[in-house]
Amino acid sequence: AQSVAQPEDQVNVAEGNPLTVKCTYSVSGNPYLFWYVQYPNRGLQFLLKYITGDNLVKGSYGFEAEFNKSQTSFHLKKPSALVSDSALYFCAVNTGTASKLTFGTGTRLQVTL
Amino acid sequence: NAGVTQTPKFRILKIGQSMTLQCTQDMNHNYMYWYRQDPGMGLKLIYYSVGAGITDKGEVPNGYNVSRSTTEDFPLRLELAAPSQTSVYFCASSAPNGGPLTGELFFGEGSRLTVL
Repeated sequence: AQSVAQPEDQVNVAEGNPLTVKCTYSVSGNPYLFWYVQYPNRGLQFLLKYITGDNLVKGSYGFEAEFNKSQTSFHLKKPSALVSDSALYFCAVNTGTASKLTFGTGTRLQVTL
Repeated sequence: NAGVTQTPKFRILKIGQSMTLQCTQDMNHNYMYWYRQDPGMGLKLIYYSVGAGITDKGEVPNGYNVSRSTTEDFPLRLELAAPSQTSVYFCASSAPNGGPLTGELFFGEGSRLTVL
C-alpha cells in the first residue's frame, strides 16, 4: 500500500527564519507527491506537486519542496517564514487511478513574531 | 467561479437519523471525492467517482452511500448515523490525470457533522 508519513505534529518557527515541514513516502513505482495547506475552518488548498523532472519544485506563497528519491522524502521548505503561514500542512501521494490522494496526518505550522 | 460547494456547513444528528451532504462543482471535472477529516488522522477517502454513473469505494466506505447522476453533483448519504461518523466531511473534484492539473484536487469548505 502507498503511504506518506509526517513525523512532526507541530513545527514552531520564528518569523523571518527558514522553515521545513517533513514528509516521507512509501510507494511502488514513480510517486506523484503533493503538498496542501489548510487554514482554520477552510478546505484544503493545493500548494505544489512533484510529478517528474526537476527535484526542486516551487509553489504558491513562496513555498518549495525537494524530491529526494534515495531518502524517499518530499520536505516542504520556505526561506523566510511569515506569521500568515501558520496553518495545517498535508503531504499526499497519488495512488494511481482516478487521481486519488492518500494524505499524511498533517503538521501544524506555528510562526511567531 | 464558485468551485466546489458543500451544504450544509454544520449539522447535528441524533443516532439513527439519516441525512445527505450535498456537493456540487462548476469546473466540469470528471473526478469527484468525499473525504472525512478527524483530528490527528489526516483525511480518509470515503467514496470517489470518475464520471456520471460511476462510483467506487475508498478507504472508509462503511455507513455511507453515494450517487453520481450528473457531472456536477456528488451527494453523500448517511443512512443510520452513528457517533463514529462525527467528523468534518470534505468534497473535492479534479481533472483527469495527464493534463497540467494532474492530481490537483479542489476542495469545498467542509461540512461539520456531529452525531449525538
